[in-house]
Amino acid sequence: QVQLQESGPGLVKPSETLSLTCTVSGDSIRSSYWSWIRQPPGKGLEWIGYVHYSGDTNNNPSLKSRVTISTDTSKSQFSLYLTSVTAADTAVYYCARVRTSYTSGWRFDSWGQGIQVTVSS
Amino acid sequence: DIQMTQSPSTLSASVGDRVTITCRASQSVSTWLAWYQQKPGKAPKLLIYKASNLESGVPSRFSGSGSGTEFTLTISSLQPDDFATYYCQQYNSYFFTFGPGTKVDIK
Repeated sequence: QVQLQESGPGLVKPSETLSLTCTVSGDSIRSSYWSWIRQPPGKGLEWIGYVHYSGDTNNNPSLKSRVTISTDTSKSQFSLYLTSVTAADTAVYYCARVRTSYTSGWRFDSWGQGIQVTVSS
Repeated sequence: DIQMTQSPSTLSASVGDRVTITCRASQSVSTWLAWYQQKPGKAPKLLIYKASNLESGVPSRFSGSGSGTEFTLTISSLQPDDFATYYCQQYNSYFFTFGPGTKVDIK
């Protein structure tokens, strides 16, 4: 059974870079796509982007070029880097496994517990 | 960008009620639609994928239907564990969008 665990600073200053890591266990990081999703306080879910160990990535256009997602197969981890953060980036950040299938579509079938990140000086 | 809407935003119901939530897409997403359940302080849980396929381990009282731009999630007999917020999510051309959510609370 796959398990995902987010880690990183809970407080980031405005204009700095938010860096989070998701550690995967119970599944090979090479076997799937992996994604980051966030949820501002009291609001809905926003997809941030996904990554595959091969280097295939895609990000939400609303976040423009602020997002980088990468993998470290030696550590079974993938990471999120979000630059130039503002208070609007305050949210619970989730990492998730993307189940992919040409016949059944793509969906998020396993999630981490989430990590609260606050942007404040 | 494909936008998703859900109705109602809040639904008050009793245990045993049949509950239906509607999700609409701003353009056709075929059947590339999933449903999630989220409880306060917890991560979302996948319920339905490809519009009508029940995820393994999810009770059969949950069902999904629809295609194109209109989809429904139905709970045939609401149980105490089902009071939560439900989100739809579309997948199209390697991008994902979630609906704004429907909160199901106790009447």
